[in-house]
Order: sequence, then C-alpha cells, then structure tokens
Amino acid sequence: TQLLEQSPQFLSIQEGENLTVYCNSSSVFSSLQWYRQEPGEGPVLLVTVVTGGEVKKLKRLTFQFGDARKDSSLHITAAQPGDTGLYLCAGDGGSQGNLIFGKGTKLSVKP
Amino acid sequence: DAGITQSPRYKITETGRQVTLMCHQTWSHSYMFWYRQDLGHGLRLIYYSAAADITDKGEVPDGYVVSRSKTENFPLTLESATRSQTSVYFCASREGGVGNSPLHFGNGTRLTVT
Repeated sequence: TQLLEQSPQFLSIQEGENLTVYCNSSSVFSSLQWYRQEPGEGPVLLVTVVTGGEVKKLKRLTFQFGDARKDSSLHITAAQPGDTGLYLCAGDGGSQGNLIFGKGTKLSVKP
Repeated sequence: DAGITQSPRYKITETGRQVTLMCHQTWSHSYMFWYRQDLGHGLRLIYYSAAADITDKGEVPDGYVVSRSKTENFPLTLESATRSQTSVYFCASREGGVGNSPLHFGNGTRLTVT
C-alpha cells in the first residue's frame, strides 16, 4: 500500500518567517502534486512535480521533488497570513486514476 | 460557469435514514471520485468512476452506493446512515486517469448524522 506521510501536522508561525513542509513515502511516485485547502472549500492544485530532483517556484513557494521520487518538500519564504491553510501532497494511486493524499499540514500565519 | 458543484453544502440526518449527496461537473471529465475528509485520516477515497456506467470501490466503500448514468453526474448514497459517516464529503473530477492532470474538487458537503 502506498502511503504519503506529511510533517509537521501543524505549524503556527509569525508573518515574515520561513517554513518547510515535508512529504515522504517509501514508494516511488511518477509525480507528486501539492494542493492547498482553505476552510469550507475543496483542495486546489498548486503544482505538479514530475522529474526527480525537479525544483519549481510559485512566487514565494518553492517545491522540490526528491531525486528518488519518494519525497517532496514545500518551502515558503516570508510567509503571509494569506498562506494560511491546509497543505496536502498527493501521488498517483495507479491505474484507477485516483490520487493518494497525505494527511496534510495545517499552517497558520499570524500577522 | 464551468466547474464542479456539490449539493447540499450542509446536511443533518438521523441514523438509519437514506441520504444522497449530489455532484455535477461541466468539463465532461471521464474520471470522478468521492472522498471523505476526517480529522486524523485526511482524504480517503470512497468510490470512483472511470466513465459513465463504470464505477469501482475505493479505500472505504462500506455503507455507500454510487451510480453514474451520465458523464456529468456522480451521486453518492448512504443507504442507512450511521454516526461514523459524519464527515465532510468531497467530489472531484479528473480529465485523465493517470499522469499529471489535477483533481478538481467541489466545495464539499458537511454531513452530520445524529
């Protein structure tokens, strides 16, 4: 069974601080996706990483896919209150077309 | 507007009652999914569908029934609701079955079973 473990589970920081969220697995994934979910809404895709070692940037967010394609990280520089939300990583579950999700990291950025 | 809509947004029902959660997408995506989201468990797949009239079980299918007579609709029915089915339910669609296409989620249905 493929599992994705995210850490930390909860993170509460002040505006302007940097942070890193991790997504780890013992399985190899062909790609990993990162979603952000705000209260009362469904998750929304932030980025997809495909190639081992790949780094993608989305403004102040930097996503990295591990060389062995078993792990990924999300780094936020100078966090802002608008970054508050639940960050989920997800990997392809196989031929069924579904995604397997980690349990998420709940981020709170205080002004 | 294009998108995926779920109804109702909130539902309170009693133990033993049948309840149906609706999901409609306007993209004509082949794949559709039902997830439930619970504290400590994250998002868990209940059922999925690869196309109209093709459905299959996910990780936690017990107590649920789905149908997909039309590509755009994927209702989820709780045949006899139990308190353990209190959860937030998300419907999602995806253009392809594998690869890098994203899941598009609805805004969820918060179901409370009393």
